[in-house]
Amino acid sequence: DTAVSQTPKYLVTQMGNDKSIKCEQNLGHDTMYWYKQDSKKFLKIMFSYNNKELIINETVPNRFSPKSPDKAHLNLHINSLELGDSAVYFCASSQDAAGGSTDTQYFGPGTRLTVL
Amino acid sequence: KQEVTQIPAALSVPEGENLVLNCSFTDSAIYNLQWFRQDPGKGLTSLLLIQSSQREQTSGRLNASLDKSSGRSTLYIAASQPGDSATYLCAVKVVAQFYFGTGTSLTVIP
Repeated sequence: DTAVSQTPKYLVTQMGNDKSIKCEQNLGHDTMYWYKQDSKKFLKIMFSYNNKELIINETVPNRFSPKSPDKAHLNLHINSLELGDSAVYFCASSQDAAGGSTDTQYFGPGTRLTVL
Repeated sequence: KQEVTQIPAALSVPEGENLVLNCSFTDSAIYNLQWFRQDPGKGLTSLLLIQSSQREQTSGRLNASLDKSSGRSTLYIAASQPGDSATYLCAVKVVAQFYFGTGTSLTVIP
């Protein structure tokens, strides 16, 4: 069974559209994350979500909004897509956010978003 | 602001060679440091996690060390194999934020 799954794997859309990426983890983890990996392979955290507490990276535009219907899911909704949003988006989870050994993160396979 | 740097950006070695990857960070107030590998078109796989109070961690042919005071970590890979070819990233945790390095692309030549 896949530990952290994302859908879709590829997403091609026009500028200005609204899209969502879904993430699910079956590890029973309390904390989930969204990362953006740009064309230079640089990985940057966007959000972390732990027991209904959302921690936002302040550099993320407010067009991006995470939504967590339950502990196993953290979806990413993007409004008014721009060319610069093209990247690979990774979801990850960890057992908790306390900073201990349970911080080990498990990553999904990524969603490659292309904005035309 | 925390900055994480990895040197070299790319490395090519013959099979069987031992090698060291380097990671440096600017703020020593970290909770932990993790090493990941990323295969092309795939997600990241965690290799080792070192707590801020630890000096090293080992898993099979991998050994990671941490010198928090100098802001450095190394990942030692013994007896490299072609299957080790991947991009290796280090990441430090500061409060609730994770900061990743730019990675080292490793190629092990058969």
